[in-house]
Amino acid sequence: GQQLNQSPQSMFIQEGEDVSMNCTSSSIFNTWLWYKQDPGEGPVLLIALYKAGELTSNGRLTAQFGITRKDSFLNISASIPSDVGIYFCAGQLVQGAQKLVFGQGTRLTINP
Amino acid sequence: GAVVSQHPSRVICKSGTSVKIECRSLDFQATTMFWYRQFPKQSLMLMATSNEGSKATYEQGVEKDKFLINHASLTLSTLTVTSAHPEDSSFYICSARSQLGTGYYFGPGTRLTVT
Repeated sequence: GQQLNQSPQSMFIQEGEDVSMNCTSSSIFNTWLWYKQDPGEGPVLLIALYKAGELTSNGRLTAQFGITRKDSFLNISASIPSDVGIYFCAGQLVQGAQKLVFGQGTRLTINP
Repeated sequence: GAVVSQHPSRVICKSGTSVKIECRSLDFQATTMFWYRQFPKQSLMLMATSNEGSKATYEQGVEKDKFLINHASLTLSTLTVTSAHPEDSSFYICSARSQLGTGYYFGPGTRLTVT
């Protein structure tokens, strides 16, 4: 089925470094969502984006809805140990469609 | 706000038995709820979409007679895995979309193990 291309698949960084990940698609999305999932738990919504070009921050996290509506990025600044986890992008494909399309996830590992 | 709960968090059952998982939106009304399945180190796989008061819409390849979904109220949806087999062992996660349509919120997941 339809899927978002999320990259990178995994990242190994030092504490304090900045992180960047993105999702792309050949299709146009009306909504982009970024989630973080810890082991054995459900995804937690980090940032929701509703308009092309929208740039939204949530603490050290910043995400943008690409102007073409086919991509989005998530940046994490000054990473800390609790940032470890799997980050998923998700998009609502067309207006009125209910279900989300998910990226494959980015696994973030931080070396102290 | 926007809290979704799931019960139970973990369940172990014997092959051939049925298991019911509940998903509740605690502080908002959800016209639509979604059920996902997640295998280790993989992304979420949508199983079905349920709207309050109507039949669920299942994704291709998901057996509707095996995975029974009921969305009886604006705050509760249930997934029943019937005649469970070891290959049904997985992490099941529900998601709820508020009536306002602003965001999709996930439950904490249910780990099902079928022995």
